[in-house]
Amino acid sequence: QLQLQESGPGLVKPSETLSLTCTVSDGSISSDDYLWGWIRQPPGKGLEWIATIYYSGRTYYDPSLRSRLTISVDTSKNEFSLNLDSVTDADTAIYYCARQFNLGLRPAATFDYWGQGTLVAVSS
Amino acid sequence: QSALTQPASVSGSPGQSITISCTGTSTDVGSYYLVSWYQQHPGKAPKLIIYEGDKRPSGVSNRFSASKSGNTASLTISGLQAEDEADYHCCSYAIDNTLLFGGGTKLTVL
Repeated sequence: QLQLQESGPGLVKPSETLSLTCTVSDGSISSDDYLWGWIRQPPGKGLEWIATIYYSGRTYYDPSLRSRLTISVDTSKNEFSLNLDSVTDADTAIYYCARQFNLGLRPAATFDYWGQGTLVAVSS
Repeated sequence: QSALTQPASVSGSPGQSITISCTGTSTDVGSYYLVSWYQQHPGKAPKLIIYEGDKRPSGVSNRFSASKSGNTASLTISGLQAEDEADYHCCSYAIDNTLLFGGGTKLTVL
């Protein structure tokens, strides 16, 4: 059974960079059939798609976050990562990584395996 | 792009059916039948229950069904059970290879 696990600091200071890694186990990140996504959920609010990456390195970003975002993939480690610059209180959320269906290199709205999520708080 | 619109809450009694709407625009729900639905219990990660409009993953009860009309997608849960009490989120593929989620709907089983 595929498993995803988020890791990274639980506390980030305002204006600094939030960095998270998602490690994929019991399955290969280098699959033609899937993409790999990041989703977040502010406390008490709905889900927000952040970004998606293909194992080749092709990326897709939410337009409102694009200028602050970088995602990358390391196929040798079977993991992908997220960097969000210049964070503010509004970036406080539970961050999830998930496997995503690939619709001909379009990011599908289908996330079938999720990590447990990691809470990242932005505070001084 | 704005989030998809869902009712904040719905409720129903055991055995009844409820429907949750998810309204978008012609650049997302209206143009692509690529809506997914997720169930999320408190403190848990979301679980996929409907994908590509009306398909159910293996293991998901056939009490969950979905449809679309124009710019609005809908999730119907029939034969409500106590375990269905959760938050439900819709998600749609949108123009320019982006994705939109709804604000989520809290289902209360009375």
